Amino acid sequence: EDQVTQSPEALRLQEGESSSLNCSYTVSGLRGLFWYRQDPGKGPEFLFTLYSAGEEKEKERLKATLTKKESFLHITAPKPEDSATYLCAVQAAATDSWGKFQFGAGTQVVVTP
Amino acid sequence: NAGVTQTPKFRVLKTGQSMTLLCAQDMNHEYMYWYRQDPGMGLRLIHYSVGEGTTAKGEVPDGYNVSRLKKQNFLLGLESAAPSQTSVYFCASKVGTGAGAEAFFGQGTRLTVV
Repeated sequence: EDQVTQSPEALRLQEGESSSLNCSYTVSGLRGLFWYRQDPGKGPEFLFTLYSAGEEKEKERLKATLTKKESFLHITAPKPEDSATYLCAVQAAATDSWGKFQFGAGTQVVVTP
Repeated sequence: NAGVTQTPKFRVLKTGQSMTLLCAQDMNHEYMYWYRQDPGMGLRLIHYSVGEGTTAKGEVPDGYNVSRLKKQNFLLGLESAAPSQTSVYFCASKVGTGAGAEAFFGQGTRLTVV
């Protein structure tokens, strides 16, 4: 059974204090690992897709990396507007997966000025 | 471009009442999904559809039904609401199952069953 575990559950950072979020996964063949950002009262917003171990992607202060067992979302010099819940999801490679995502519970990030 | 639109945004139901949540997408996506989000549990898949007229059960389908009569619309029905169905419901759509096909989400429907 596919499983996704995110840690920590919550993270409080000072503005400029860099940190990393972890997403550990088990899946029977990885089709893709997705990172989403979710603001309060909103739907998840797509950030990155990673496909294979060793891959990295960046967007502004965010950098996502992937190994065979986990993914990290690094937040460099965060600003208050980076405050959000970050969700990780995996899509299995099986043809009967029908593009379904298995989500982690998310990491709530609060960045204070 | 509206993307994925959910109606209503908020609803309060009494136990035993029924309702339908509507999801509409204007991206011509084949795949559509209904998730529920509860504190500490992440997003869990209720039902999904891989094309017009086709639906399938997800992880937590009990108490819900769905229909996809038109490609752009995916309806989620609660026949007899229960307090355990109090949650935030999200609809999502994808162009296909290929690698890199991210899902686009609606803004959510907050449902309270009293």
